[in-house]
Amino acid sequence: QLQLQESGPGLVKPSETLSLTCTVSGGSISGSSFYWAWIRQPPGKGLEWIGSIYYGGPTYYNPSLKSRLTMSVDTSKNQFSLEVRSVTAADTAVFYCGRFRLGLFPYFDYWGQGILVTVSS
Amino acid sequence: SSELTQPPSVSVSPGQTARITCSGDPFPRQFAYWYQQKSGQAPILVMYKGTERPSGIPERFSGSNSGTTVALIIREVQAEDEADYYCQSTDNSGTYVIFGGGTRLTVL
Repeated sequence: QLQLQESGPGLVKPSETLSLTCTVSGGSISGSSFYWAWIRQPPGKGLEWIGSIYYGGPTYYNPSLKSRLTMSVDTSKNQFSLEVRSVTAADTAVFYCGRFRLGLFPYFDYWGQGILVTVSS
Repeated sequence: SSELTQPPSVSVSPGQTARITCSGDPFPRQFAYWYQQKSGQAPILVMYKGTERPSGIPERFSGSNSGTTVALIIREVQAEDEADYYCQSTDNSGTYVIFGGGTRLTVL
């Protein structure tokens, strides 16, 4: 059974960089049929796709966040990561990592449990 | 950019049918996918390809589509169905993901 687990600091100061890692277990991150993605959910609000990355490197970012994002993959550790630069209180959210199926029927079939990141001084 | 529009809330009594709609211009070219999110939990997939149920999802859950509007239909609603429901689609390339704003289903 595939499992995803987010990790990183729960508190980040305004203007700094938020860094999160998702560790994948029970399967390889190098599969050809999947992207690996980040989704966030501000408290009391809906889901927002942040971006997706393929193990070979292509990345796709939400245009509204693109200028502040970097995603990367470490196949040796079966992990992928997210950086969000210049954070503000509006970036406070539960961040989920997920596996996104490619192809004709693209959807998220596995999700991590989520990690709350608060932006505050 | 494309958007998906859902009603903020739907309320039904136990045993009734709930219909949650999602409208947007990815449809009908792209399929709709539906996720259920209970309080404090990660979302789970309850419908894919518009009308297909993943294993483990009760037969009470079904999907429909009509032009630019798709729907998640839950028959014989139970208290355990109370949750937020999100539709999801993509752009034509299948790589840029779009979520609807979510619908809170309340079981009266």
